[in-house]
Amino acid sequence: DTGVSQDPRHKITKRGQNVTFRCDPISEHNRLYWYRQTLGQGPEFLTYFQNEAQLEKSRLLSDRFSAERPKGSFSTLEIQRTEQGDSAMYLCASSWEGDNEQFFGPGTRLTVL
Amino acid sequence: GEDVEQSLFLSVREGDSSVINCTYTDSSSTYLYWYKQEPGAGLQLLTYIFSNMDMKQDQRLTVLLNKKDKHLSLRIADTQTGDSAIYFCAESIRGQAGTALIFGKGTTLSVSS
Repeated sequence: DTGVSQDPRHKITKRGQNVTFRCDPISEHNRLYWYRQTLGQGPEFLTYFQNEAQLEKSRLLSDRFSAERPKGSFSTLEIQRTEQGDSAMYLCASSWEGDNEQFFGPGTRLTVL
Repeated sequence: GEDVEQSLFLSVREGDSSVINCTYTDSSSTYLYWYKQEPGAGLQLLTYIFSNMDMKQDQRLTVLLNKKDKHLSLRIADTQTGDSAIYFCAESIRGQAGTALIFGKGTTLSVSS
């Protein structure tokens, strides 16, 4: 296993369109996190899964955002009716329960025109 | 509230030591982390320290924690040009079942030869 992977790496979309990102965690990790990073800022926590259960959601996660992890492995993050303010790098991280290290993927850079 | 503060820029000469400072606000944080981000790359975990420790050393990296003042520092000995990157301090916030990370805005380290 080579680490956390994310797809696509870049996405350009028009305002109002829906987009979906995928994250594949390190295979033995049961925890998966989504973060968002805008220019000049540190990553901000969005949501977290343990296995297939979504256990925490940040207040940053508006109703237009939805995340799933249906089989406890890969996860998807969907943004509906994108806005220019959604332009950011979306980062995924994974860890093993009881381990304190979160390993990050390369991110998906979203640009909303 | 949860907040992590870092100085934004640090410039050093190759071979010198670099010290990057961070303050955090949540006294219940159990772990504090240092991540490195190079241009176009994801976040790389450099090191972390448990809140009941004062110091941790790992090769060229030394982490100092002053829990009373909620102050964390990262010292890089013999700084190299390859150390040029953005360094993020992060604290762990234990939620319902998992651990979200709260990041600072990052310190851009510039190393000149």
